[in-house]
Amino acid sequence: NAGVTQTPKFQVLKTGQSMTLQCAQDMNHEYMSWYRQDPGMGLRLIHYSVGAGITDQGEVPNGYNVSRSTTEDFPLRLLSAAPSQTSVYFCASSYRTGLGTDTQYFGPGTRLTVL
Amino acid sequence: GENVEQHPSTLSVQEGDSAVIKCTYSDSASNYFPWYKQELGKRPQLIIDIRSNVGEKKDQRIAVTLNKTAKHFSLHITETQPEDSAVYFCAASDSYGQNFVFGPGTRLSVLP
Repeated sequence: NAGVTQTPKFQVLKTGQSMTLQCAQDMNHEYMSWYRQDPGMGLRLIHYSVGAGITDQGEVPNGYNVSRSTTEDFPLRLLSAAPSQTSVYFCASSYRTGLGTDTQYFGPGTRLTVL
Repeated sequence: GENVEQHPSTLSVQEGDSAVIKCTYSDSASNYFPWYKQELGKRPQLIIDIRSNVGEKKDQRIAVTLNKTAKHFSLHITETQPEDSAVYFCAASDSYGQNFVFGPGTRLSVLP
């Protein structure tokens, strides 16, 4: 298994540009999520999905869109990039058991810089 | 919504000593409490987790304790080694993963 993969690894954007961060997993996980990590602030949940066709907002959703057309893929779209979106973005996935969310597996991250 | 606090923000210990990191949470609906280790430039990786129906869990040198009444949980690392040096994050999540909130992290340095 490749686990959770993310592309690109690095990206530089200009203010106002749009782009899509890709995330895929091959573990048949129902739950997928996107986080951003800023220095000293831990990981903050942007959006998440509990299954194909279902998405919901996390703690910091403004400026981002997601879709979940398949179980495997969960792309994150930046609508109009702003310098405040400079961060490292992690995608994660997990099973959902009868007890709730299970172990989350993280992708390698995308380091985004917005000029 | 859920709020997770984590202390201390930095921790230095001598090799072989124990390290303890504490987290508190605010939402009584939270029932899943994982701990992640993140080395510089790498992704977070789960090291141990605990659910609300268990008070303590141990895996070799690592243990986690949970006090649901007080809404706090702690990570204990015994016989620390230099390779334990990293940033450790606690998190709290309800049963649907709708409130998956991370603490701000603790930078652990194990001095040889």
